[in-house]
Amino acid sequence: GESVGLHLPTLSVQEGDNSIINCAYSNSASDYFIWYKQESGKGPQFIIDIRSNMDKRQGQRVTVLLNKTVKHLSLQIAATQPGDSAVYFCAENAGNMLTFGGGTRLMVKP
Amino acid sequence: EAGVVQSPRYKIIEKKQPVAFWCNPISGHNTLYWYRQNLGQGPELLIRYENEEAVDDSQLPKDRFSAERLKGVDSTLKIQPAELGDSAVYLCASSLKTIYEQFFGPGTRLTVL
Repeated sequence: GESVGLHLPTLSVQEGDNSIINCAYSNSASDYFIWYKQESGKGPQFIIDIRSNMDKRQGQRVTVLLNKTVKHLSLQIAATQPGDSAVYFCAENAGNMLTFGGGTRLMVKP
Repeated sequence: EAGVVQSPRYKIIEKKQPVAFWCNPISGHNTLYWYRQNLGQGPELLIRYENEEAVDDSQLPKDRFSAERLKGVDSTLKIQPAELGDSAVYLCASSLKTIYEQFFGPGTRLTVL
């Protein structure tokens, strides 16, 4: 399939290590945030979400942290696997409109 | 359960030609979205439907783009005439309620020559 993007920020990690992907959002009125994973040739896939009244939420191998003071969102992936290789996007919701940030390409080295 | 279905997957046309994309959302999902994704960027919303009503089309370039969802199920996005800058991936998504977890289709990759 075609690549999502050729000039994205790239994070390269060793298989089994933890990954941290960061995102800065722009709208202080945003009340809901989502992380998406996009593999080559596919649409974005929901990973995890968090509401603005929370600062941390955990899923299976993933954790999202929200710092509203500095408008920063991060996605932590534990024990990164080759199947985690993809482009990751954060998205913020304000007024029922979802705005996506620029993506980060995660490359997992075996 | 089938996911969001889009067709065609790829389309190559010459500028000034018309093109149409089709989307069938997940059964029971009332909200349908069309996004455009340029290379290296996140998706940008073009239009959002609640059932058959377009409730947010502020980002749709209405001089050349049109969309419809006549029976509140499947939807068509049309560009006429296409321009070189329209080359992108056009994504369709659906959700049970507005903004709740959106499920994306695989997209249609449009190349305008």
